[in-house]
Amino acid sequence: AQKVTQAQTEISVVEKEDVTLDCVYETRDTTYYLFWYKQPPSGELVFLIRRNSFDEQNEISGRYSWNFQKSTSSFNFTITASQVVDSAVYFCALSEKVYNFNKFYFGSGTKLNVKP
Amino acid sequence: DTGVSQNPRHKITKRGQNVTFRCDPISEHNRLYWYRQTLGQGPEFLTYFQNEAQLEKSRLLSDRFSAERPKGSFSTLEIQRTEQGDSAMYLCASSPDVANYGYTFGSGTRLTVV
Repeated sequence: AQKVTQAQTEISVVEKEDVTLDCVYETRDTTYYLFWYKQPPSGELVFLIRRNSFDEQNEISGRYSWNFQKSTSSFNFTITASQVVDSAVYFCALSEKVYNFNKFYFGSGTKLNVKP
Repeated sequence: DTGVSQNPRHKITKRGQNVTFRCDPISEHNRLYWYRQTLGQGPEFLTYFQNEAQLEKSRLLSDRFSAERPKGSFSTLEIQRTEQGDSAMYLCASSPDVANYGYTFGSGTRLTVV
């Protein structure tokens, strides 16, 4: 069963618009971690945020904010006042403990195009 | 330290040839992972090393794939008798020995099998 679903394949916005990337996850564990990564055209996955399953407080970092709702198994990511440099593929990931390591399950990604 | 380094960045090979990729993790990270990313998809787990021990392998890792991490430093991923379906981005990541810490990924090796 797919553990992380990113239903939006591609989103296009004009610079300065706000945009929200959706992420829905599935797990039977009570303890787990959620992540967002950014993948620019260079290919490297850049860590953005980590959130544990016991902390449902929303987080804001500059123009980025994250909304974690356990009741709906969602961990959405909002970029405020988008910029061209935000153009990339964004991945949501779920980390589960498997034996003694953390196995990541990634969604299929959302490609964000920010046009000037 | 400049992060996780992967070589080569790109590899084009003919079907049936063997290829080997290298990953140099962040020096103080004792955990190392290999993931595969096909076009339009998120990365999928292949294998995990803690120091030099390979502790977990995915079913995606067929008999043609082998990974090593001698001395617990760099790691190599070898694919024997490559097939067109092996074309993908192969990503290496490392992390410290801290529970649920995020990975640091390398830039990947893009393999094209023709």
